[in-house]
Amino acid sequence: EPEVTQTPSHQVTQMGQEVILRCVPISNHLYFYWYRQILGQKVEFLVSFYNNEISEKSEIFDDQFSVERPDGSNFTLKIRSTKLEDSAMYFCASVRAGGTGANVLTFGAGSRLTVL
Amino acid sequence: SQQGEEDPQALSIQEGENATMNCSYKTSINNLQWYRQNSGRGLVHLILIRSNEREKHSGRLRVTLDTSKKSSSLLITASRAADTASYFCATDANDYKLSFGAGTTVTVRA
Repeated sequence: EPEVTQTPSHQVTQMGQEVILRCVPISNHLYFYWYRQILGQKVEFLVSFYNNEISEKSEIFDDQFSVERPDGSNFTLKIRSTKLEDSAMYFCASVRAGGTGANVLTFGAGSRLTVL
Repeated sequence: SQQGEEDPQALSIQEGENATMNCSYKTSINNLQWYRQNSGRGLVHLILIRSNEREKHSGRLRVTLDTSKKSSSLLITASRAADTASYFCATDANDYKLSFGAGTTVTVRA
């Protein structure tokens, strides 16, 4: 069964460093997402991406965050200067299309980011 | 915000018992979905119920939706140890984004 792949599974970084989290969505999917989950808390929407541009972003997704789909397969989330509060599990998700209005997301296993 | 809010926050039951959790949301939706998350893993889609449906079944799962009360429930019948996980409802207003609640953590004791 097709799956969303995320790397790295765990990254430890120093505060102020740049981090890039990578995702390979399912190949025929058109919408891509990043969500964040601080330990034990709710799953928070960060950003959605369609047709090579951001379609929606949350208040969390400030100027420190950016997304890119550089080569048609990878979908990356970059945090330019990490803060302690960026420590969380970051989930990539994708969905084929919203043709029926039913957006069933397929999630990756997540990348755990620890900022020291 | 239209995100779902689940209750209870945590639920502990004996194997074989039923587990019921609820979700409330604030705005009109196109559909409501339930996802499961095993500890430290990604979310896995369980079941989707559209706004014009009232009840849906999938195996041991039963979902209800009451759009007048803006609420949904997920029932897991004859629970097993493998059902131990967190369960999240997610609302879809057809804006190509799902909004999740904080989840209900279910522990099934053997």
